[in-house]
Amino acid sequence: RKEVEQDPGPFNVPEGATVAFNCTYSNSASQSFFWYRQDCRKEPKLLMSVYSSGNEDGRFTAQLNRASQYISLLIRDSKLSDSATYLCVVNSPTGFQKLVFGTGTRLLVSP
Amino acid sequence: SAVISQKPSRDICQRGTSLTIQCQVDSQVTMMFWYRQQPGQSLTLIATANQGSEATYESGFVIDKFPISRPNLTFSTLTVSNMSPEDSSIYLCSVRDSGQETQYFGPGTRLLVL
Repeated sequence: RKEVEQDPGPFNVPEGATVAFNCTYSNSASQSFFWYRQDCRKEPKLLMSVYSSGNEDGRFTAQLNRASQYISLLIRDSKLSDSATYLCVVNSPTGFQKLVFGTGTRLLVSP
Repeated sequence: SAVISQKPSRDICQRGTSLTIQCQVDSQVTMMFWYRQQPGQSLTLIATANQGSEATYESGFVIDKFPISRPNLTFSTLTVSNMSPEDSSIYLCSVRDSGQETQYFGPGTRLLVL
């Protein structure tokens, strides 16, 4: 089983739509969770950290369910500029606390 | 946030040759990492670059193939040795400071091996 699993998509949505991505992780001892965004031919950039209580940043809401070991990202009022690959990232609580990346979920927002 | 630069940004190399990629950070950072992202894939950690000592390699990666240097807290190099077409990939430098959760990435080096 992969440490971090995501639906690769692509998710094709119209502008203004609400879209949600889920991600599951296998190591119950993981403590830190993130969503990164990667545009085509660019490096990954941190979108938001994910906290146990859930957190919101504008149109983006991230939630963590430790019991089920999954993380979600909700994007409201999708914009064309939201088109990208969204990477679910979990820390591996051993050694150097390395980050483990999911394969990413591709989002395409169309006019 | 840290500003990270990588050189070269891209290269086309012949099989059997080696390429050294440089990563420069604009501030001292505790941890530096090297990742590989193959076409259509996610990021795979190659190794953690340790300042003043040998890098810590992940399973499937060895020092002979990917020697790493980290002479100080702002600079690291990754060499891809004896290249084959399977090494064609994007190589990314990443940094994180101690006590911080956020990890930043350099712009990547696109390598094509013919």
